[in-house]
Amino acid sequence: DAGVIQSPRHEVTEMGQEVTLRCKPISGHNSLFWYRQTMMRGLELLIYFNNNVPIDDSGMPEDRFSAKMPNASFSTLKIQPSEPRDSAVYFCASTSRVPDTQYFGPGTRLTVL
Amino acid sequence: AQTVTQSQPEMSVQEAETVTLSCTYDTSESDYYLFWYKQPPSRQMILVIRQEAYKQQNATENRFSVNFQKAAKSFSLKISDSQLGDAAMYFCAYRRGEGSYGKLTFGQGTILTVHP
Repeated sequence: DAGVIQSPRHEVTEMGQEVTLRCKPISGHNSLFWYRQTMMRGLELLIYFNNNVPIDDSGMPEDRFSAKMPNASFSTLKIQPSEPRDSAVYFCASTSRVPDTQYFGPGTRLTVL
Repeated sequence: AQTVTQSQPEMSVQEAETVTLSCTYDTSESDYYLFWYKQPPSRQMILVIRQEAYKQQNATENRFSVNFQKAAKSFSLKISDSQLGDAAMYFCAYRRGEGSYGKLTFGQGTILTVHP
């Protein structure tokens, strides 16, 4: 299997622009997670889905952040408008009930100027 | 709520030596899983080892082993014969059993430096 796929790997944008991060989970996995990692705050869970349905979005920092999972093989995390403090590495991860292990994508490094 | 604590922000070890990273967790659940993830400078999160709480035997993966003390809620990672490639940030993580959708609670991480 190709593993969890994220795109783009790097994104540089200017403040105020819309940013869309993409994730393709491992085929057959039914839960998908979005994380943000910064030096100051460490690894934060933003939102997660089960069977394409959002279960908990309490980690989403502001209304500027939104996430969708239109089908089992694709999810997006959108930031609109972006701000410099959104600069971070964003990870997508997926898991199935068995064997219960969460697998991470390579991450997207976002820089907002 | 479950919490995971890694009390060692940084650790160092000489190549070929053994090092132990500490992790404690707090839960009232009896069914859960514990994990160690490695994040090298490439930033890829890599699963190192996992432990099911119902198993008394400590998990082992080659040079990596855990000391799982359920009553003490402790889950340490031992790396034997350390290699330069082991240098990374290590995260301890907890996951409830049924009904959790696979959500993980992570510790703060421990940076491991390996000296040649």
